[in-house]
Amino acid sequence: DVKVTQSSRYLVKRTGEKVFLECVQDMDHENMFWYRQDPGLGLRLIYFSYDVKMKEKGDIPEGYSVSREKKERFSLILESASTNQTSMYLCASTRQGAGNTEAFFGQGTRLTVV
Amino acid sequence: AQTVTQSQPEMSVQEAETVTLSCTYDTSENNYYLFWYKQPPSRQMILVIRQEAYKQQNATENRFSVNFQKAAKSFSLKISDSQLGDTAMYFCAFIDARGGGADGLTFGKGTHLIIQP
Repeated sequence: DVKVTQSSRYLVKRTGEKVFLECVQDMDHENMFWYRQDPGLGLRLIYFSYDVKMKEKGDIPEGYSVSREKKERFSLILESASTNQTSMYLCASTRQGAGNTEAFFGQGTRLTVV
Repeated sequence: AQTVTQSQPEMSVQEAETVTLSCTYDTSENNYYLFWYKQPPSRQMILVIRQEAYKQQNATENRFSVNFQKAAKSFSLKISDSQLGDTAMYFCAFIDARGGGADGLTFGKGTHLIIQP
């Protein structure tokens, strides 16, 4: 059974903390993505990566960074968490080369910054 | 840049009824793919149906079908014989085929569908 796994389902952090959200996929997918989901705003792309050590900014990269040291792992980093980063974060992966391929999602991490 | 618009924030229908969720998109590309994803309360995103833009035939998956109007840039989802388990957020999504999937999906804001018993 294919799987995208996010390290935490719920997370509570303090303002100013450095936060790491981890995502691992076991499908040997080239492409990985981090989305942020907020009510009434849908899913917005934060960062994506099409290869190891490669990263591209999405639509809302401010306040975030990413790391992809291994093909299967894509980490989202909040350098200094702020309350406006309280949100649901979804990781996804796709196989490169076929745009119609299904995107597989993790179960989401609900992050609360207090 | 592409945009995806879902104009119905919330819909409610009775069980066994047919419901149609609307989606329009804007793109200058000719080769792309469209998707409907379902997100139940468990938060797990599930692919419902996909459509290749170069195919004129509308995609169907059991009780789910789409009405794809390429010229009008419209991609609606029809759910027949709705069931309580269809209660979920539904997202319409677009991907440009040029990048081979590397650029990620562009999502609409979602429609919260409630099936009433």
